[in-house]
Amino acid sequence: DQQVKQNSPSLSVQEGRISILNCDYTNSMFDYFLWYKKYPAEGPTFLISISSIKDKNEDGRFTVFLNKSAKHLSLHIVPSQPGDSAVYFCAASYTNAGKSTFGDGTTLTVKP
Amino acid sequence: EPEVTQTPSHQVTQMGQEVILRCVPISNHLYFYWYRQILGQKVEFLVSFYNNEISEKSEIFDDQFSVERPDGSNFTLKIRSTKLEDSAMYFCASSEYRGVEGYTFGSGTRLTVV
Repeated sequence: DQQVKQNSPSLSVQEGRISILNCDYTNSMFDYFLWYKKYPAEGPTFLISISSIKDKNEDGRFTVFLNKSAKHLSLHIVPSQPGDSAVYFCAASYTNAGKSTFGDGTTLTVKP
Repeated sequence: EPEVTQTPSHQVTQMGQEVILRCVPISNHLYFYWYRQILGQKVEFLVSFYNNEISEKSEIFDDQFSVERPDGSNFTLKIRSTKLEDSAMYFCASSEYRGVEGYTFGSGTRLTVV
């Protein structure tokens, strides 16, 4: 049972444009959602999170939107930079548990 | 910036052998985790550890696996008798709080079982 899904394995955008990465979840008990970025040969790096009581959280170029009724979240990167090229993982967790359930990841390529 | 350090970066072992993967979490963090990623697959939760005991484990974390925090700084994952399907990247992570606000991951240990 894949509780967190990232349906797009890859995304390519031009430098300076917006990147939108999408994530869907099935378990309505999740109440915290996170995005991680991963470069080859490195561990995931935490980017941004959002609690289920919010619908938007912004940190610099990164904004996460949560639509609870659709069980959908998205990460917007504006403007995209070549250094943003990486694998992006969506993850979900419960407030009362430490573990996170990860999606399959989306490989973002930002072309100069 | 504080880091989670994992050693070794790559370990090759014979099937049936025991391996110990080592991690040094960030010093003021209280929650510790092991995840793994089999090549081409998603990052999977193995175990979480808090207050010197396992707080949660997945069905992957069977009797062949154990974790320990032997000296207050290291956090180890032991696989007692490795199988070919244990080949994966193993990531240690730590967090100051319960982890809902994001972990700090180490760079991982690539375990290859031959």
